[in-house]
Amino acid sequence: EIVLTQSPATLSLSPGDRAILSCGASQTIISGYLAWYQQKPGLAPRLLIYDTSSRATGIPDRFSGSGSGTDFTLTISRLEPEDFAVYYCQQFGSSPLFGQGTKVEFK
Amino acid sequence: QLIQSAAEVKKPGASVKVSCQASGFRFDDFGISWVRQSPGQGLEWMGWISPYNDDTRYAQSLQGRVTITTDTSTNTAYMELRSLRFDDTATYYCARGVSGTDYRDAFDFWGQGTMVTVSS
Repeated sequence: EIVLTQSPATLSLSPGDRAILSCGASQTIISGYLAWYQQKPGLAPRLLIYDTSSRATGIPDRFSGSGSGTDFTLTISRLEPEDFAVYYCQQFGSSPLFGQGTKVEFK
Repeated sequence: QLIQSAAEVKKPGASVKVSCQASGFRFDDFGISWVRQSPGQGLEWMGWISPYNDDTRYAQSLQGRVTITTDTSTNTAYMELRSLRFDDTATYYCARGVSGTDYRDAFDFWGQGTMVTVSS
């Protein structure tokens, strides 16, 4: 079974900073079937990116995804105050599986 | 839009059935998955159903305890979890698959979540 490892666990940044979040898989993710979600307290996750780099409807272009094989990255080019949240990666090349999350917090 | 049923409190060993009513899209065209989140923890995929043909897939860890069904007359999906344990305490979400055709999918619309508490 695939294991997804997100790093770092916590990212302490300021508005305007660039955020780089990593997601590593224990096996190659088939066809780049990897997604990224944002979750704020008390709310359901929100799809940001699917198929490694496709932005979901309505997602600002400051969010971008990249990667292949076992290494994937979510980049937020300039953090807005509303971007401070927990981010999860998810693979769906096999039974869906989520990473443990990266919290982006105010520095 | 996916609207879920209200919070539940159950005793260990009991069963719970959570509903998820869809609107704003053709129900038959998209698979529905259930994902749960224990307090302060990450996300766990539980299973999936195709409203088109009632095909289902379940997470191995829950096989035998979970059943997902649909009622296409009301555009509603249901998730039943049996033999509840304390560690089943979680928020349960339904979510629509992006591609619509496979359990291996990302999820573009989510319900608001249903808190299920297992307590004696």
